[in-house]
Amino acid sequence: EAGVVQSPRYKIIEKKQPVAFWCNPISGHNTLYWYRQNLGQGPELLIRYENEEAVDDSQLPKDRFSAERLKGVDSTLKIQPAELGDSAVYLCASRHYSDTEAFFGQGTRLTVV
Amino acid sequence: SQQGEEDPQALSIQEGENATMNCSYKTSINNLQWYRQNSGRGLVHLILIRSNEREKHSGRLRVTLDTSKKSSSLLITASRAADTASYFCATVSGAGSYQLTFGKGTKLSVIP
Repeated sequence: EAGVVQSPRYKIIEKKQPVAFWCNPISGHNTLYWYRQNLGQGPELLIRYENEEAVDDSQLPKDRFSAERLKGVDSTLKIQPAELGDSAVYLCASRHYSDTEAFFGQGTRLTVV
Repeated sequence: SQQGEEDPQALSIQEGENATMNCSYKTSINNLQWYRQNSGRGLVHLILIRSNEREKHSGRLRVTLDTSKKSSSLLITASRAADTASYFCATVSGAGSYQLTFGKGTKLSVIP
């Protein structure tokens, strides 16, 4: 069974440019999470989806960040415009409603210069 | 925001020794989970303990939970160089939801 797939693995952009990250969760997983992880820190939740509904986006900086989960499957996280402080690893995870364990992708390492 | 606080922040031990990491949290929980993250990789689930459990074992892992102190510990016995990684506790709180909140992690180095 394929795990959570994220792309790209690495992205370097100049500040004020837009960037998008893509996540393909494990098939059949209802819950999808986007986390941001700064160097030496734990993951911090940006948004959580239950199927196609965003049920927790209180930590998402809505002035520049947006996310969508079309048809309750794949998800895209976008930043526009990017700032230097957005440099981090962006992690996607998914979970089946009947399970307690979340499965993580490899993450996208974003560097804003 | 982060719910858990792990300590120590970093731990260095010799291969074969035991490693103990602690996690404290702030609000009541449904369960607490431990994850491992190798450098540059995603997180991998290790073990879960429910709020009504006090201790759980899985292979070389032993987790304890003290809900009165809002704390948990992860013990790795007979450590190996391959155990070198960062370890995070994550709490699940809230009825009917599955908000997974991570701590800042403990970086474990096992020296061969």
